[in-house]
Amino acid sequence: NAGVMQNPRHLVRRRGQEARLRCSPMKGHSHVYWYRQLPEEGLKFMVYLQKENIIDESGMPKERFSAEFPKEGPSILRIQQVVRGDSAAYFCASSPGMDARALRGPQHFGDGTRLSIL
Amino acid sequence: SQQGEEDPQALSIQEGENATMNCSYKTSINNLQWYRQNSGRGLVHLILIRSNEREKHSGRLRVTLDTSKKSSSLLITASRAADTASYFCATDEGSNFGNEKLTFGTGTRLTIIP
Repeated sequence: NAGVMQNPRHLVRRRGQEARLRCSPMKGHSHVYWYRQLPEEGLKFMVYLQKENIIDESGMPKERFSAEFPKEGPSILRIQQVVRGDSAAYFCASSPGMDARALRGPQHFGDGTRLSIL
Repeated sequence: SQQGEEDPQALSIQEGENATMNCSYKTSINNLQWYRQNSGRGLVHLILIRSNEREKHSGRLRVTLDTSKKSSSLLITASRAADTASYFCATDEGSNFGNEKLTFGTGTRLTIIP
């Protein structure tokens, strides 16, 4: 019973390159959330997606960042033209979302992708 | 201060002692959750307490919630070396549907000394 799977676990990019982070939610989960964690800090909400829909992207920078959760395949967080300040751990979480009660349950987290920008 | 701020920032205790961490928040919430994060890993959900609950237990964990003071505490009894981790509280502040946007504090780093 696999949990939330994120890959890669570590990603190194040079400034100006693109970073693509992948997240496969737990089986049966249709809601995906992305968070960013800077060293010694808590997680900061970025975006909430359901299949083929972005529900809330209020925590995501307006430029260079985008997210998708296609009908088939993992959710992708894409960072274009990376800068040093993008270095962080990016966590994905998922939850079932068939009813309002399920939305009030816990989110299940992956082990994150640690992005380093040279 | 930020929503969901924990104190202390760091705590070291002897194995077998109890550990207490506190969390404060600013706005009204539907629920508050506590998560644990081991170094280099993702977050593991520990316990969720709803706004109409005052206390909740799960094994060696005891969580209290005081909505009048906008604060919560996490007590870990009879601590073990494996409890060494960072602990975060998270609220659903800003969520429209109840839980989709968790707001985390900066965490308490707990070290259990064998």
